[in-house]
Amino acid sequence: KAGVTQTPRYLIKTRGQQVTLSCSPISGHRSVSWYQQTPGQGLQFLFEYFSETQRNKGNFPGRFSGRQFSNSRSEMNVSTLELGDSALYLCASSLDRGGGASGELFFGEGSRLTVL
Amino acid sequence: AQSVTQPDIHITVSEGASLELRCNYSYGATPYLFWYVQSPGQGLQLLLKYFSGDTLVQGIKGFEAEFKRSQSSFNLRKPSVHWSDAAEYFCAVGTYNTDKLIFGTGTRLQVFP
Repeated sequence: KAGVTQTPRYLIKTRGQQVTLSCSPISGHRSVSWYQQTPGQGLQFLFEYFSETQRNKGNFPGRFSGRQFSNSRSEMNVSTLELGDSALYLCASSLDRGGGASGELFFGEGSRLTVL
Repeated sequence: AQSVTQPDIHITVSEGASLELRCNYSYGATPYLFWYVQSPGQGLQLLLKYFSGDTLVQGIKGFEAEFKRSQSSFNLRKPSVHWSDAAEYFCAVGTYNTDKLIFGTGTRLQVFP
């Protein structure tokens, strides 16, 4: 059974640009969550999608957005990139909830974004 | 608000020694508690979880954790560490009615031969 797949694994952007990251969850999983990981802030929850609906959102500016498609694949977008957006962006999938109820998140290896 | 504290940023142990990683949480109701491990360049892998019942839970790779409500703690233990256990360990808390986990800042484990 394939795991959570994130693309691209690495990317470099400059300030002001935008970026789109993709996540394919484990087959049969309907919930996709996104987390930002930085050395200073640790793992911070971005948002969670279930059946194409955003059910929960973390404390991030509106530049961070996401969506989920009917096949459960998800994308997140960051517009007007800032230096502080440099981070590892982790996607996680679960059967039906974002972690609190389902009890287990399956993480991808992440997309490492560097903003110059 | 929910929060998780991992007071040890970095721990170094010798291979074969015992290990205990500390985790304290803040939450008004009964939390769901998790330990995840992250190897360099990898995503996070679930080691174990506590929802209810027996306060001593067993996980993968020989790890166990004990939930102590009176101390708001969920410490991770392993009786004998292997070099392959070197990684970063994250404690996390969740609740039934939310769809997110709150993570601690992590503890980096270094193992010396």
